[in-house]
Amino acid sequence: SQQGEEDPQALSIQEGENATMNCSYKTSINNLQWYRQNSGRGLVHLILIRSNEREKHSGRLRVTLDTSKKSSSLLITASRAADTASYFCATALGTSGSRLTFGEGTQLTVNP
Amino acid sequence: DTGVSQDPRHKITKRGQNVTFRCDPISEHNRLYWYRQTLGQGPEFLTYFQNEAQLEKSRLLSDRFSAERPKGSFSTLEIQRTEQGDSAMYLCASSLAAQGYGGYTFGSGTRLTVV
Repeated sequence: SQQGEEDPQALSIQEGENATMNCSYKTSINNLQWYRQNSGRGLVHLILIRSNEREKHSGRLRVTLDTSKKSSSLLITASRAADTASYFCATALGTSGSRLTFGEGTQLTVNP
Repeated sequence: DTGVSQDPRHKITKRGQNVTFRCDPISEHNRLYWYRQTLGQGPEFLTYFQNEAQLEKSRLLSDRFSAERPKGSFSTLEIQRTEQGDSAMYLCASSLAAQGYGGYTFGSGTRLTVV
């Protein structure tokens, strides 16, 4: 089974609204990362949060991490139609931190 | 060199044939990864290299799969005796280990269809 599980599986909102996606994982992690994937394309790295961090911001993105609950959330504020994509969380485990384990993703649709 | 390049973008092959994919990472990145992604799923780890050394392989990488990175630059992923279950997007990514546990840069992938 996937280490990360995103919730919801699909989200449809209007342009200008905020979108929140959640991710849960099962084991201790070194860091958690969020990626975006447009249909049929590769993944684009959005933001990384380390296990000793609780919140991080990058532009319209806000990521939180709760290691006690083994969960993370990604908030996209003031969404745009161009934000329509699949969003994946990925965890880096253990001391090497090299392998990323991805969840199944949230499909976000932003309607103009 | 602005990103990770993968070739070909699409490959259609008959069951039983061998296929080979190529990945050119960002030149200064010493780590290179291969992932497989099926429709509606997240990417699954296959293997990774640090320079020319293959340091980890997933059990998903059966003996029909082999990956190389002979000079620590580009990498190839070969699938022998392809099966319909091999149909997927094969993604390559690279990163710089010296930056610690940073994000990956992914290529656009090679979509394999086995008919």
